[in-house]
Order: sequence, then C-alpha cells, then structure tokens
Amino acid sequence: SSELTQDPAVSVALGQTVRITCHGDSLRTSYESWYQQKPGQAPVLVIYDEHKRPSGIPDRISGSSSGKTASLTITGAQAEDEADYYCSSRDTSGDHLVFGGGTKLTVL
Amino acid sequence: QVQLQQWGAGLFKPSETLSLTCTVYGGPFSGYYWTWIRQPPGKGLEWIGEIDHIGTPNYKPSLKSRVTMSLDTAKNQFSLKMNSVTAADTAVYYCARGNGDYPDALDIWGQGTMVTVSS
Repeated sequence: SSELTQDPAVSVALGQTVRITCHGDSLRTSYESWYQQKPGQAPVLVIYDEHKRPSGIPDRISGSSSGKTASLTITGAQAEDEADYYCSSRDTSGDHLVFGGGTKLTVL
Repeated sequence: QVQLQQWGAGLFKPSETLSLTCTVYGGPFSGYYWTWIRQPPGKGLEWIGEIDHIGTPNYKPSLKSRVTMSLDTAKNQFSLKMNSVTAADTAVYYCARGNGDYPDALDIWGQGTMVTVSS
C-alpha cells in the first residue's frame, strides 16, 4: 500500500480547470513532485519542490500544498493533458521515496 | 541533452537474478542521485532505490534483502541487480536521475525495460 493516496480517476471538460490531489502524512514535512505518464511512455516530471516547473512544462500546470494535501492544478485543460498523474515524496521516515497510486485524467 | 539509455535481459525464470544497466549520455555523472523505479503491468510506480554519485545506496525496505545497486563512474553507468525473482517482479523497470539540488525530483528517465519472470 502507498503512503500517498490519490483519487483513481478524474475527468475535466476541454478548456476547464481540474485539480488532482495527493494525501499523506509525509507531505507535512517533505516536498512533493508530480509526474505525467502517457500510455507506453516513461513518466515526465511536471512539478517538483511543491510548485517548481521544469523547463518546457506549460504554465497551465501548477502545484501547491497545504498540510497533508498536495495538489496539481491544470488551468485550461488540453487534450494532450490526458494522462496518468503520480505524486511522490519522501516517506514519513524521510529516507525513502514513495509514489501515490496515480490518477487517470480524462479530458472530455 | 542528457539521456539515459538502459538495457538488460527481458525474460527471467523464477529464482534467477535480474540485471539491468543504465548509461548516462550528454551530462555529468557526479552530483546526482541515480534511481530505479518499476511499474507492474497496468499498475502504478514503485521506487526500488537510489545510489548517489559516490556509491552510497538507499533501498526500499521491502526489497532491500534482494537488491544491489552499483556505479561504474568510468563508464557513466549504474546498475541494478535483484535476486530470487518471482512473477511479482514482472514490470517495466526504469532508471532515472534525481536532480542534484532536489534528489526527489526525477527529471530524466530511461526508456524503460519490460522484465518478465516466468517459468
């Protein structure tokens, strides 16, 4: 079982805003990262250190955190945003990395 | 542009030792954390462990007894060995780079290797 919990599936209408959440005790003390994974491809880092975006990631993708909940927000969702999204952070010991179970985002 | 190229056998029998290698191209080896992750078919990501650029490993506790990670800095390579594999180890295995300043941020990934354990 994962120490980070995500909703299995979320949908959003094209052009609308969607929030994907990640819950876990470790999020109170560890910064999270978010990954986007499309079918048959390796994951891509889209957010790290809670809210930082790697170069090349569009600014419609943003991250935030409060207490034991981290959020990935996509503002103005596009068809190409349809993917699985995974959060990750260090576990409650701070020693080991853990991933959430993933959220499948469908853009309608 | 930094790239990770991974290779290794894809089919193992139960009880055998899985071995995968990842080569770092186009960027420095030192100063980063080199990580292995796996993903069973249709399931989520699982962190296996990491090794820093001086060779200090850190493994997922539940896999620690079966996993060994190593570096070959002369070849810009890092490797994963997992012994006593079972069908539960069937997965796509990825190597990845943990950003030097933010080791939890896996910013470069290999292409993935499908590993099947079957008799």
